[in-house]
Amino acid sequence: NAGVMQNPRHLVRRRGQEARLRCSPMKGHSHVYWYRQLPEEGLKFMVYLQKENIIDESGMPKERFSAEFPKEGPSILRIQQVVRGDSAAYFCASSPPENPYEQYFGPGTRLTVT
Amino acid sequence: GNSVTQMEGPVTLSEEAFLTINCTYTATGYPSLFWYVQYPGEGLQLLLKATKADDKGSNKGFEATYRKETTSFHLEKGSVQVSDSAVYFCALSEGSSYKLIFGSGTRLLVRP
Repeated sequence: NAGVMQNPRHLVRRRGQEARLRCSPMKGHSHVYWYRQLPEEGLKFMVYLQKENIIDESGMPKERFSAEFPKEGPSILRIQQVVRGDSAAYFCASSPPENPYEQYFGPGTRLTVT
Repeated sequence: GNSVTQMEGPVTLSEEAFLTINCTYTATGYPSLFWYVQYPGEGLQLLLKATKADDKGSNKGFEATYRKETTSFHLEKGSVQVSDSAVYFCALSEGSSYKLIFGSGTRLLVRP
């Protein structure tokens, strides 16, 4: 059973460009979470999704950030008009429906905004 | 709101030394508690968990006990190895959204 997959692993964007981060959950997992890790800090929750539904987006910045988890395909975290402060590691986690407290993390996407 | 506080690092130990990393939490209700480990350049791996008071989670020689009276979940290992060098995160789950709230992490460096 493959783990949570994220791509790209590293992404460089200039200020003002768009960043798209992808996450494929583990097989059988229907819950997806996105977290952001700023340098030398812990992870901060951003958004929790189930297939075609956003369940909790209380950690998402109000502007420029959006997330989706379509019926088919990976979950996408989209950042429009990136700024230097968006530089961070973005981690995706997934959990099975029968045990949503047990989250398995992907390797992360390290976004650098130049 | 709910929060997790961890001891600041780095923690530097010699191989075979005893490890304790302190973690305390603030929460309404009865959260589940977790320890995650992050090796350099990698994502987080679930190390152990406890879902109710007095539960002891254990894995790979690490253990932690959910102490409701002291709101603590300290991580311990009797004899650390160089390969245990990593950043350790304490976390709690919150509410019906299951989101994790993390501490700031504690870096452990084990010297041969």
